[in-house]
Amino acid sequence: EMQLVESGGGLVQPGGSLRLSCSASGFKFTDYWMSWVRQAPGKGLQWVASIKHDGSDNYNADSVKGRFTISRDNAKSAVFLQMNNLRVGDTAVYFCARARGGMPPGWFDPWGQGALVTVSS
Amino acid sequence: EIVLTQSPVTLSLSPGDRATLSCRASQSVAGYLAWYQQTPGQAPRLLIYDTSNRATGIPARFSGSGSGTDFTLTISSLEPEDFAVYYCQQRNIWPYTFGQGTKLEI
Repeated sequence: EMQLVESGGGLVQPGGSLRLSCSASGFKFTDYWMSWVRQAPGKGLQWVASIKHDGSDNYNADSVKGRFTISRDNAKSAVFLQMNNLRVGDTAVYFCARARGGMPPGWFDPWGQGALVTVSS
Repeated sequence: EIVLTQSPVTLSLSPGDRATLSCRASQSVAGYLAWYQQTPGQAPRLLIYDTSNRATGIPARFSGSGSGTDFTLTISSLEPEDFAVYYCQQRNIWPYTFGQGTKLEI
């Protein structure tokens, strides 16, 4: 069974940093791009970042460019999101998702259960 | 950035009814449109991709259609577990974007 498990969420002050982790199992991790998608409380979904299967390329949404960095460790089947200079508007549940279909891949399946990041003073 | 507009915002139906959800794009997404289902407190689940292909394990009562800028998700006969929020998403033009969602309620 495919599974994605996020960790590392929490409460952080504006301007602070946080690192999210996502551990994958049940599929060949090195074959897939991986992505982060977020959902602000009571709101819709927003794609945040994607990383190529070998880590050699990545894409970020304009709203997080220069502040968030996606990376991966294929030996550990894990993907990370380093979030710096956090803003109140970054408050959301952050989902890790496997990406497939297209280039860069754009269908997200499956998803992890999400990690809540709250940015507040 | 492509804007996806879903309608209606809320759809009130009963088990056994047929549901029709719409998604309109601000410009053509070709056939590169997907639908996701999200129940409260859960992660989204991919239902349909490339307009009309059901994802693994998705029941046949879910179907998708459309092209260009207008797309439809149809649930032929609603089951109790189908009452949820549904999102459309495009992957034709970067950045990939989602609609604001349609809440399907009993």
